[in-house]
Amino acid sequence: AQKVTQAQTEISVVEKEDVTLDCVYETRDTTYYLFWYKQPPSGELVFLIRRNSFDEQNEISGRYSWNFQKSTSSFNFTITASQVVDSAVYFCALSEAIGGFKTIFGAGTRLFVKA
Amino acid sequence: GAGVSQSPSNKVTEKGKDVELRCDPISGHTALYWYRQRLGQGLEFLIYFQGNSAPDKSGLPSDRFSAERTGESVSTLTIQRTQQEDSAVYLCASSPKTSGGRRETQYFGPGTRLLVL
Repeated sequence: AQKVTQAQTEISVVEKEDVTLDCVYETRDTTYYLFWYKQPPSGELVFLIRRNSFDEQNEISGRYSWNFQKSTSSFNFTITASQVVDSAVYFCALSEAIGGFKTIFGAGTRLFVKA
Repeated sequence: GAGVSQSPSNKVTEKGKDVELRCDPISGHTALYWYRQRLGQGLEFLIYFQGNSAPDKSGLPSDRFSAERTGESVSTLTIQRTQQEDSAVYLCASSPKTSGGRRETQYFGPGTRLLVL
């Protein structure tokens, strides 16, 4: 069955600290897609990254980086030198290539970055 | 417009009434999703449309929920005989055409906040 677990409900850091948001997933499929979305206080979800199951290369985009490890079914997200504007709820999501187009979201991690 | 739009932005209704929520996807996006987000929780998938294919309704929680889509444009989500547990933010997302098993990025609207009294 599909499942996405974000064990960290809330994280609080001080500006300029690095922070890692964990995401562990379960899937029966060998072909699947993983996503991260940001939901700032305004409420509108913003796409951050999409990764398919055949590409385990880690990715860096500015202060954001993602570590995809199939061996541990994890797709963790790190923010380097956090800023107050990074304060938001971050969602990890999974979509399998079979079984329809349902996308399963984790419960989210609320990140507070204090000045 | 450039993004996904939803209306109304807020809706307050009485228990037992029907409500209709509207979503206008990004022009040219053939795929459209509806999600529900209860207060402080993650997103629950409700339904997916792509072109003229049969929609994936596997996430609809009960037969009180239904959705329609006109071609590749506007979609409406209807909740009949609303209950208090239907109170949530209803989010719509659209994405470019999905081919085979590929999953395209979903672009989300601002949501409709529904409160059932």
